[in-house]
Amino acid sequence: DAGVTQSPTHLIKTRGQQVTLRCSPKSGHDTVSWYQQALGQGPQFIFQYYEEEERQRGNFPDRFSGHQFPNYSSELNVNALLLGDSALYLCASSPGTLWDGYTFGSGTRLTVV
Amino acid sequence: GQQLNQSPQSMFIQEGEDVSMNCTSSSIFNTWLWYKQDPGEGPVLLIALYKAGELTSNGRLTAQFGITRKDSFLNISASIPSDVGIYFCAGNSNSGYALNFGKGTSLLVTP
Repeated sequence: DAGVTQSPTHLIKTRGQQVTLRCSPKSGHDTVSWYQQALGQGPQFIFQYYEEEERQRGNFPDRFSGHQFPNYSSELNVNALLLGDSALYLCASSPGTLWDGYTFGSGTRLTVV
Repeated sequence: GQQLNQSPQSMFIQEGEDVSMNCTSSSIFNTWLWYKQDPGEGPVLLIALYKAGELTSNGRLTAQFGITRKDSFLNISASIPSDVGIYFCAGNSNSGYALNFGKGTSLLVTP
């Protein structure tokens, strides 16, 4: 059984560009959350999607947006990239709000130059 | 989100030693979770705690949910080299769906 799959694994973008990151949740999971992890820090909550709607948003600007598809997969979009957006972006899926099943992917390492 | 203070920031120990790390919050949490993250990987759940005072074990790992609901600790007994990694505490306050993470404790184990 595949876990949470994220793509791409690594990405280099230029300041001002836009980027799309993708996440396929674990089988049986209907909820997807996105986190940003800067070097040497713990993950920070960006937002959560459930039933194709953004259910909660963390303290991130509108440049960060997302989408969830009917098959529960999700995308994270970041516009007008800044150098400070360089980080590991983690996707976590869960069956509803059960924390036991909250499973993280390996992340996408985004570098903005 | 709420700030979680995790300590120590790093630990360098010998194989076979016991390890203790803790996490405190300025706010009450209803769920405490402990994760381990290896380089290039996402965090992996070690232990989940749901009730104040709860003490839960997972092999050589033991974690407790503090009585005040503002703290938690994780103990690792008889450490082995594969325990190397970064350990994170995380909490949820039931006022939303976000996990708030600490900054992590980096553990190094020498044979």
